[in-house]
Amino acid sequence: AQSVSQHNHHVILSEAASLELGCNYSYGGTVNLFWYVQYPGQHLQLLLKYFSGDPLVKGIKGFEAEFIKSKFSFNLRKPSVQWSDTAEYFCAVNEGQGGKLIFGQGTELSVKP
Amino acid sequence: DAGITQSPRYKITETGRQVTLMCHQTWSHSYMFWYRQDLGHGLRLIYYSAAADITDKGEVPDGYVVSRSKTENFPLTLESATRSQTSVYFCASSDGGEMADTQYFGPGTRLTVL
Repeated sequence: AQSVSQHNHHVILSEAASLELGCNYSYGGTVNLFWYVQYPGQHLQLLLKYFSGDPLVKGIKGFEAEFIKSKFSFNLRKPSVQWSDTAEYFCAVNEGQGGKLIFGQGTELSVKP
Repeated sequence: DAGITQSPRYKITETGRQVTLMCHQTWSHSYMFWYRQDLGHGLRLIYYSAAADITDKGEVPDGYVVSRSKTENFPLTLESATRSQTSVYFCASSDGGEMADTQYFGPGTRLTVL
């Protein structure tokens, strides 16, 4: 079965530091990839997604992610984090047709002001 | 623009009781999903539905029942609640289509089973 692995469970950064959250998946075929964010007490919101084309995807709030097919990775990046980026971040991969997503375990990001 | 709503937002129940969590979406999305979120496990798919009257099991379906008589509603029932079902439950919907589309999530229901 397909799996999604997020290597960092909890990341603590100071404001203005750069961020990179790792995500690897196991499926060898064509994939659609997503990053979702969950702010404290809120529901999940889409940050960005990759379906095809340019492997460098830009999302909301200055986030971007790079799809590297050879490494089965879809890492999330932001050059300069803000306190308001404190949240939990989930990587997800679709499993074939029908919209089913497989989620990683999540990475909790804490940004110190 | 109501989007996707869940009720109740918080629920405390006792072991053995039946509980139904409601999910309603206003977009007429064809696909709807139920997930549970537990520490260390991320989100795990319980059940999903491709259209009215079409449902299928996800990763962790045991102990849950779903139905979808109308496109906009997708209730999740715990037939006999157990403590292991204490969790936060999220409903989601998407347009679906040939490949996975963006899923939109509801605010969640925090369920505690005593």
